[in-house]
Amino acid sequence: EVHLVESGGGLIQPGGSLRLSCAASGSSVSETYMNWVRQAPGKGLEWVAIIYGGGTTHYAGSLKGRFTIYTDNSKNTLYLQMNSLRVEDTAIYYCARGRPGIGVDFDYWGQGTLVTVSS
Amino acid sequence: DIQLTQSPSFLSASVGDRVTVTCRASQDISSHLAWYQQKPGKAPKLLIYGASTLQSGVPSRFSGSGSGTEFTLTISSLQPEDFATYHCQQLKSYPLTFGGGTKVEI
Repeated sequence: EVHLVESGGGLIQPGGSLRLSCAASGSSVSETYMNWVRQAPGKGLEWVAIIYGGGTTHYAGSLKGRFTIYTDNSKNTLYLQMNSLRVEDTAIYYCARGRPGIGVDFDYWGQGTLVTVSS
Repeated sequence: DIQLTQSPSFLSASVGDRVTVTCRASQDISSHLAWYQQKPGKAPKLLIYGASTLQSGVPSRFSGSGSGTEFTLTISSLQPEDFATYHCQQLKSYPLTFGGGTKVEI
């Protein structure tokens, strides 16, 4: 059974940085597609980034340059480094495992970690 | 970027109703579409992938259809546990995108 557990969320001032973690068990983060998805309060889902194949990454266009997705294979953990945070980055951040097939659907999700950007 | 438009945004229904949610893509995405169910305070759950394949463990009252630019999610007989928000997602090209969601409520 695959389990994903996010951590690292909290209250941060605009302009600050935060690193989110997603500890995986039952699946190797280095051997699959791993994603971050966020959801602002009362809003829909927004895909953030994906990493696969040992380091290939893609980002939502609006976030590229501020956010960095990476893995620590020795810890089997996915990370999201978020810099220059803005109020509009306030959201629950989920990690999700991507399963390749007809595209890469997201078959396992963590419980999410809340990031609040506010002064 | 590929835009996904879901309709309706809100749907009021009763137990036993047949419910249909539509997702339209701004360009051809073949069958590269997934549907997720999300309940309040919970993470999304994969229901359907490849536009029409039911994820393991998902009740057979859920079904998906469509290809190209128009897709539907159908619940044949709505159950109390089905009241939730449903999201479509295109998996054809990056950036991956979600529809705006459809909230199914009583």
